[in-house]
Amino acid sequence: EPEVTQTPSHQVTQMGQEVILRCVPISNHLYFYWYRQILGQKVEFLVSFYNNEISEKSEIFDDQFSVERPDGSNFTLKIRSTKLEDSAMYFCASSEALLVRSYEQYFGPGTRLTVT
Amino acid sequence: GIQVEQSPPDLILQEGANSTLRCNFSDSVNNLQWFHQNPWGQLINLFYIPSGTKQNGRLSATTVATERYSLLYISSSQTTDSGVYFCAVPPAGGTSYGKLTFGQGTILTVHP
Repeated sequence: EPEVTQTPSHQVTQMGQEVILRCVPISNHLYFYWYRQILGQKVEFLVSFYNNEISEKSEIFDDQFSVERPDGSNFTLKIRSTKLEDSAMYFCASSEALLVRSYEQYFGPGTRLTVT
Repeated sequence: GIQVEQSPPDLILQEGANSTLRCNFSDSVNNLQWFHQNPWGQLINLFYIPSGTKQNGRLSATTVATERYSLLYISSSQTTDSGVYFCAVPPAGGTSYGKLTFGQGTILTVHP
């Protein structure tokens, strides 16, 4: 069964460093998302991406964050200068259709980011 | 934006017991998903259930969209069912492109 994959599973970085989290969405999917979950809290939407551009972003997704689809398979989230409060689990998700409000999102296993 | 509330926040069961988890949402939706977050933090898709009832083994879910709630039933619970259960919905209207709003989750602990 097709699945969303993410690498690395765990990333430890120092405050102020740049990190890139990588995702490979399901191959025939058209919409891509990043969510994050701070430890003990609920999952929060960060950004959605379609047709090589951001469709929507939350207030969390400030200038420190960027997303890119560098090739036909990968989808990345970059944090330019990490802060302690960026420590969280980051989930990538993808969905199949244009009518995305009616279609299931499939989540990857997550990347646990620890900023020290 | 849409509000999602889950109850109960915590649930402790003995193995073999049945349980019902509830998800209320503040606006009409055309999509609802249930997830299980396992102890490793992974989000496992359980159900995509905009309306009606679905069953998958010991788990089943019912969404009554007109009354803005969904229920997740777990029968004959096992220790491996432990974890956090989330429901999530997109906005029904507006310009959102399907972002999901998650509830706070129900923490389920099943004791042997």
